[in-house]
Amino acid sequence: GAGVSQTPSNKVTEKGKYVELRCDPISGHTALYWYRQSLGQGPEFLIYFQGTGAADDSGLPNDRFFAVRPEGSVSTLKIQRTERGDSAVYLCASSRAGFGTGELFFGEGSRLTVL
Amino acid sequence: TQLLEQSPQFLSIQEGENLTVYCNSSSVFSSLQWYRQEPGEGPVLLVTVVTGGEVKKLKRLTFQFGDARKDSSLHITAAQPGDTGLYLCASTRPGTSYGKLTFGQGTILTVHP
Repeated sequence: GAGVSQTPSNKVTEKGKYVELRCDPISGHTALYWYRQSLGQGPEFLIYFQGTGAADDSGLPNDRFFAVRPEGSVSTLKIQRTERGDSAVYLCASSRAGFGTGELFFGEGSRLTVL
Repeated sequence: TQLLEQSPQFLSIQEGENLTVYCNSSSVFSSLQWYRQEPGEGPVLLVTVVTGGEVKKLKRLTFQFGDARKDSSLHITAAQPGDTGLYLCASTRPGTSYGKLTFGQGTILTVHP
């Protein structure tokens, strides 16, 4: 596709449920990033993939959050036992390279609401 | 953790006015980026500044990087309603991935016709 694609665009779930958010990066981009943006705040880094491996997962808030990128392209962010505090917009970005000056291209985000 | 402080948090002005948004940190930036984000969209990169004292211009937008690389400003001349949006500054720490960004909380700009 022309840009980073994220699905679903909106997800409403109940506290305690399991959620998966999908990111399809720009073709050929090897680096993929997940960020979380709460209302009125700037995005916060969650995890970075270079190819298939998680190069830096230091931003994941706890072990309920997990992300995979099995074939080095599409990535899935998984959230177990969701809590109301997980409500936010989850942004995915991709770039040509993880190091250097490759520009990050962001998707439109997946808005998660936990009731 | 490097914290980025942006000011003002909110800015509401009339079309044609000038404005400046500031981004400050207690630590030295390795590089600094400015993004613009519209509702329902992801942030879009406007500019990257790397060298202390650097000035970059993008049409009516002027970006400055402080000599000590601890502060930056975005100046918009003759603002237009199309400039409305959330303006974010972001930086990386030396030795980390370029894409592992720390963002400021943003400045919400509203330009009234």
